[in-house]
Order: sequence, then C-alpha cells, then structure tokens
Amino acid sequence: SQTIHQWPATLVQPVGSPLSLECTVEGTSNPNLYWYRQAAGRGLQLLFYSVGIGQISSEVPQNLSASRPQDRQFILSSKKLLLSDSGFYLCAWSELAGRGDTQYFGPGTRLTVL
Amino acid sequence: AQSVTQPDIHITVSEGASLELRCNYSYGATPYLFWYVQSPGQGLQLLLKYFSGDTLVQGIKGFEAEFKRSQSSFNLRKPSVHWSDAAEYFCAVDKPMDSSYKLIFGSGTRLLVRP
Repeated sequence: SQTIHQWPATLVQPVGSPLSLECTVEGTSNPNLYWYRQAAGRGLQLLFYSVGIGQISSEVPQNLSASRPQDRQFILSSKKLLLSDSGFYLCAWSELAGRGDTQYFGPGTRLTVL
Repeated sequence: AQSVTQPDIHITVSEGASLELRCNYSYGATPYLFWYVQSPGQGLQLLLKYFSGDTLVQGIKGFEAEFKRSQSSFNLRKPSVHWSDAAEYFCAVDKPMDSSYKLIFGSGTRLLVRP
C-alpha cells in the first residue's frame, strides 16, 4: 500500500534562517506531488505541485521554493524565513493529474518562525 | 472564479445527535466536489467526493453529502455523531490549472462533540 511521510513533524526556526521540509511517498511510481500551507484558522492554500522529476509549478509567489530531485521525493525550501511563513505544511500525492483524482495527505509539519 | 464557502467556523453537537455541515461553491460548469476531514495535528483524509450521477453520495465513517445544483451546495451530513468525529472538516472544489486540476478548499468547519 502507499504511504506518505513528512519530516520533521514540528520545527521552530528563527527569522532569516533557511528551511528544508521533506516529503516522500512509498508504494507508487510517478505520483503527482503537492505542497500546501494551512495558516491558523484558514483553509489550505496550494503552494507548489509537480507532475514529474524536476517539474515544479508554483501557484503563489512567495518566499518559498520546491524541488523534486527523485520520483517520490518532494522538498520545500526557503533561503530566509519570514514570520509569515509560520503555518502547517502538508504534502499530498495523487496517482494521476486527471479531474477528480483523490489526493492523499501526509501528517504535516508545523513550522513556527520566531 | 471557483470558490468554496463554509459559513460555519465552529459547530457543537451532542454525541448521538445529527450533523449537517454547510458548503456552498461557485463554479461555472459542473463541479467536482470533495469533503475532507482533518483530526488535530494530522493530515487530511478524504470522506467522499461527487462527480456526477446520484446527487446523494455515501462516504466513509457513516457520512453522506448531497449535491444541490439549484442551491450551489454540497452539505455534509451524519445521522448520529460519535465523539471521534470531533475534527475539522473541509469542503473543496476542483479548478483547472495548466493540464491538471487543483483543489480549492474552504476555510473549514471545526466540529466539537459534547458528551
């Protein structure tokens, strides 16, 4: 069966420090991968998605970037964190990119920027 | 533009009581609609989804949702709530992007269950 992992689970970082969050998927090949951010009391906002290795699309201009160095690995990064980067970051995958495909979410990483 | 509105930020029900969570969408064509549940500190799990056909959709954990095109609604229901249903619930609609689709989520409804 397929599983999705995210780490770390929680992270506290000072403003201006770099960031690297990792997401890996097991049990499937060539998944579509997504990074979402959930701010306190708000819904999910799609940040990046990827349909293949090295293929990254950004939905919202921001202080963050994403990379997909391997088929089932998706990394969210920042060179210098801002206070506004605090939130709950969720990675998700889907088998296809077609309409209605179910997205499966990881457990998330809670990031606090101080 | 596609959007989703969940008008209730919080809802409290007693255990064993019925539940209805509201969701209204804005979409120019036939929408694909989803309900996800998020337990505290966890990721999201799909409860059910609607594409076409029967407007009453059955999901996991005893949940169902009804698509009403005339009201642009996709409300989630459960006849008898259990304490373990306490969580945050998100409605979503799909939106085309490039050669794929993305999900537009509502802001969520937090369900509290009284013993």
